[in-house]
Amino acid sequence: KNEVEQSPQNLTAQEGEFITINCSYSVGISALHWLQQHPGGGIVSLFMLSSGKKKHGRLIATINIQEKHSSLHITASHPRDSAVYICAVRFSKYSGAGSYQLTFGKGTKLSVIP
Amino acid sequence: SAVISQKPSRDICQRGTSLTIQCQVDSQVTMMFWYRQQPGQSLTLIATANQGSEATYESGFVIDKFPISRPNLTFSTLTVSNMSPEDSSIYLCSVEVFDRAERTFGSGTRLTVV
Repeated sequence: KNEVEQSPQNLTAQEGEFITINCSYSVGISALHWLQQHPGGGIVSLFMLSSGKKKHGRLIATINIQEKHSSLHITASHPRDSAVYICAVRFSKYSGAGSYQLTFGKGTKLSVIP
Repeated sequence: SAVISQKPSRDICQRGTSLTIQCQVDSQVTMMFWYRQQPGQSLTLIATANQGSEATYESGFVIDKFPISRPNLTFSTLTVSNMSPEDSSIYLCSVEVFDRAERTFGSGTRLTVV
């Protein structure tokens, strides 16, 4: 059982639409990352969260620690936002060298159509 | 955050040969990781590269197949040895500075074995 679940798996949106991608996890975490992967394969770190909310430009990330859930929102979506968005968590249960481990969701493939 | 230069960005290799991937960071980092992403899958950790000592491999990955070097705090290499078509994947370098928890990823190496 994958301990990090993302939804939806695929998402197609019209340019300008508001987009939400969800991530849920099974046990306590020390940090959650939202990552963006473009077709070439490279990964960009968008946010690292341990509580609350962060905003960068048109991107907003929120996390609810009690509900073990995070969302990534994109306002006024644009075709250049088309990418795979990956949620990755650092579980609190790991210590020492294991505390650096990230567990990755399977990703959400977003396509924004002009 | 750290900036990573990963080379090559892509390669097509014959089965039975080996490919060495380089990861150069613009600042000293504590942790360096190598990941594999098979087509349509999420990231899987191959190993943690340790400076001046043998890498720590995850279950299912062995040093003979994926030898790793890390001679200093800013550079590491991953070699994919005796390649087969099943090794066709994206390989990613990732780094983290101790206590900052921010994770940076390289641009990836897209490997195709024919």
